[in-house]
Amino acid sequence: SQTIHQWPATLVQPVGSPLSLECTVEGTSNPNLYWYRQAAGRGLQLLFYSVGIGQISSEVPQNLSASRPQDRQFILSSKKLLLSDSGFYLCAWSWSGPSGNTIYFGEGSWLTVV
Amino acid sequence: AQSVTQPDIHITVSEGASLELRCNYSYGATPYLFWYVQSPGQGLQLLLKYFSGDTLVQGIKGFEAEFKRSQSSFNLRKPSVHWSDAAEYFCAVGGRGGSYIPTFGRGTSLIVHP
Repeated sequence: SQTIHQWPATLVQPVGSPLSLECTVEGTSNPNLYWYRQAAGRGLQLLFYSVGIGQISSEVPQNLSASRPQDRQFILSSKKLLLSDSGFYLCAWSWSGPSGNTIYFGEGSWLTVV
Repeated sequence: AQSVTQPDIHITVSEGASLELRCNYSYGATPYLFWYVQSPGQGLQLLLKYFSGDTLVQGIKGFEAEFKRSQSSFNLRKPSVHWSDAAEYFCAVGGRGGSYIPTFGRGTSLIVHP
């Protein structure tokens, strides 16, 4: 079966510090990978998605970036965090085939920028 | 472009009462439809999904949803709510084909009174 792991689960970072959230998927190959952000009362916001190694699509221009150095690894980064980057970040994956629209989520990472 | 509307931000029910959460979608063809549940501080868990066939879909935890093409709706139901069902519920719509990323609604918060 497939599993998705993301870490750290909780992070408190000062303004201006860097960020690295990591996500890995096990039990599948060539998945589509996603990073979402969830701010209080604002639903899910798709930040980035990737259909393959080194292929990143950005949905929202902002202070964050994403990378996919390996097939099942997805990293969310920032060089300098802003207060507005605080939120709940969710990594997710889906099958890459033609019927692969079902998205499966990780447990999320709470980021508080202080 | 596809879109999803969850008209109720909050729903309050008594334990043991029936539940219906509303979801309306906009999509030009037959969509893929999903319901997810999110407990506080956790990721989203897939409850059920509709791809084709029987329009009444059974999911986990005793939930079901009915796809009504004429009403562009995919409402989630449960005959008897348990206190543990208190959570945030998200409806999502996706297109057919692996390149279509599902669009999520803003969510409905379910409050269960004892």
